[in-house]
Amino acid sequence: RKEVEQDPGPFNVPEGATVAFNCTYSNSASQSFFWYRQDCRKEPKLLMSVYSSGNEDGRFTAQLNRASQYISLLIRDSKLSDSATYLCVVNDRAGNNRKLIWGLGTSLAVNP
Amino acid sequence: DVKVTQSSRYLVKRTGEKVFLECVQDMDHENMFWYRQDPGLGLRLIYFSYDVKMKEKGDIPEGYSVSREKKERFSLILESASTNQTSMYLCATEQGQPQHFGDGTRLSIL
Repeated sequence: RKEVEQDPGPFNVPEGATVAFNCTYSNSASQSFFWYRQDCRKEPKLLMSVYSSGNEDGRFTAQLNRASQYISLLIRDSKLSDSATYLCVVNDRAGNNRKLIWGLGTSLAVNP
Repeated sequence: DVKVTQSSRYLVKRTGEKVFLECVQDMDHENMFWYRQDPGLGLRLIYFSYDVKMKEKGDIPEGYSVSREKKERFSLILESASTNQTSMYLCATEQGQPQHFGDGTRLSIL
C-alpha cells in the first residue's frame, strides 16, 4: 500500500458544482496534513492545512478522519480558476525527524 | 509573503556537465529542501538542510550534492549530468510548517 494515495482523476465538473477529493494515508501516527494546489507547469502552493476538527476557508473545506486514515477536500461552487492538480501531503513524524509524504495529486477540470 | 527564488526557470545542459541550481529565500527560514517532480512519480526529496553547512540525504540523493554556505542560499549540484536527471526541480523552505516553493527549474539534459 502506498504511503499516501489519491485518485488521480481527472475530475471533470461544470462550473458551480461541488466536488470532493479524498486522500488516504498508511501511517496511523501521521502528525499533520495539508492540501496544496499545483497549476500546470507551476510550483505547488499551499491551499490549506487540515485540522483535526475540520476547517473551512471560503468555498474550501478540509476534513480529517483519523479512524479511517483519510483526509478530504470539498470545493463548493466550483470556478473555472479551480482547475488544477490538488496534492495531499502528510507529515509522517514529529520534530526535525519528520518527513513529508506527497501524494501524486488529483486533477480537477472545471468546465464552463 | 515568503519569497523563494530559483536561479533559472528553464535550463538545457549536456550529458556529463556539472550543473548548479541555486535557491535563495528571503525569510530567514532554517529549513530548505530540494525536490524533483516527474510525471507519475510525484515530488521526491533529493536533499534537505536544517542549518548552515548542514545537509541530509533525502529519498533519491544519488547523482546529486548540495551546498549551504549561507542561511538564505541552498544549492543543488548535479556532479555529472545524465539524461535521467531531466526533470522539474523545486526548492522549498519552511520555518515550522508548511513548505513554500520556488517557481521551479525545468532542466533538460541532452
